[in-house]
Amino acid sequence: DAGVIQSPRHEVTEMGQEVTLRCKPISGHNSLFWYRQTMMRGLELLIYFNNNVPIDDSGMPEDRFSAKMPNASFSTLKIQPSEPRDSAVYFCASSSYSGGEETQYFGPGTRLLVL
Amino acid sequence: GQQLNQSPQSMFIQEGEDVSMNCTSSSIFNTWLWYKQDPGEGPVLLIALYKAGELTSNGRLTAQFGITRKDSFLNISASIPSDVGIYFCAGQRSNTGKLIFGQGTTLQVKP
Repeated sequence: DAGVIQSPRHEVTEMGQEVTLRCKPISGHNSLFWYRQTMMRGLELLIYFNNNVPIDDSGMPEDRFSAKMPNASFSTLKIQPSEPRDSAVYFCASSSYSGGEETQYFGPGTRLLVL
Repeated sequence: GQQLNQSPQSMFIQEGEDVSMNCTSSSIFNTWLWYKQDPGEGPVLLIALYKAGELTSNGRLTAQFGITRKDSFLNISASIPSDVGIYFCAGQRSNTGKLIFGQGTTLQVKP
């Protein structure tokens, strides 16, 4: 299995620009999670989907952030407009709940720098 | 909100030494997970624990799910240079899918 795939791996943009991060979960997994990692706040859950439906978006910082999961094999996290404080590493993770056990597997992350 | 307290924050040890780190919480979790993150990469799952009292090994790594469901520890025996990285604990309540992460333990191993 290829694991969770994220693109791009690195993104540098200017303040005010739109940023779109992409994720392909592990085939067969029915849950998908978006995290943000910074030195100050560590790993924070932004939003997660179950069977393509957003379940909890309480971690989304503000309206500038939006996430979609149009099908079981693709999700996007969009920031519009981007701000310097959005600079962080964004991780996507996926999991499958089976027999009372659920383990999340992470992608390699997208390193975002907003100038 | 829920928080996990992970300690120590960092460790600098000699190759061959054993390492121990732990996580505690004020809340009960039904699953404890331990991840390792290498520079420039995403967290990689090391060990998953699903039952209170469970003791699980993965090579030189051993982790335990505390009886109270509020804590877990990870031990690394006979450390080697490639053990360097950041280790995270994570707790999960059943049926939510949400993981709560500890602050991480940065491990450095001197050859």
